[in-house]
Amino acid sequence: AQTVTQSQPEMSVQEAETVTLSCTYDTSENNYYLFWYKQPPSRQMILVIRQEAYKQQNATENRFSVNFQKAAKSFSLKISDSQLGDTAMYFCAFTANAGNMLTFGGGTRLMVKP
Amino acid sequence: DVKVTQSSRYLVKRTGEKVFLECVQDMDHENMFWYRQDPGLGLRLIYFSYDVKMKEKGDIPEGYSVSREKKERFSLILESASTNQTSMYLCASSLSPGNTIYFGEGSWLTVV
Repeated sequence: AQTVTQSQPEMSVQEAETVTLSCTYDTSENNYYLFWYKQPPSRQMILVIRQEAYKQQNATENRFSVNFQKAAKSFSLKISDSQLGDTAMYFCAFTANAGNMLTFGGGTRLMVKP
Repeated sequence: DVKVTQSSRYLVKRTGEKVFLECVQDMDHENMFWYRQDPGLGLRLIYFSYDVKMKEKGDIPEGYSVSREKKERFSLILESASTNQTSMYLCASSLSPGNTIYFGEGSWLTVV
């Protein structure tokens, strides 16, 4: 069974600064996908970034980037130039290539302070 | 844009009642999911469906059932609601494994 662990229940960052959210996972699969989802106070869960395990290059989406360390089973999210709108719950998630099930971590609540 | 619609945003039900949570997606996705979200526990998968009339148990299926009679619609059923089923329920859909999963806005269920 796969597990996803987010060790930081809450974090805060000053506006315009950089913050890194941690995620580790455990799996015996070789082909899989990793995701970071954002859930703002309005509750609509939206995709932030997606990483395919067979790609060594770290995914980036504008101010969001990941540090994917496959051997260490680590998948951290870096948010640069933090904005007030980045305040949300962030969930790390995993799915194996052969399966449909998405496994989520417990979430990190991020507060961006003005 | 993909739209996943959960018809009920807020419900209050009594213990023992039968509860239906409806979810519709408009992108012809094969896969649909029901998750439960609780503070500190993240999202836990209740059931998922990869085709019409097909369903698979997730991590916490006890006390729940599902129905997928049409490709676009996936219903979660609580046969006899209990207070420990008070939670936020999220429906989601995806085209295939590894593709982006799209979520609905969630249904807040309170069982009293």
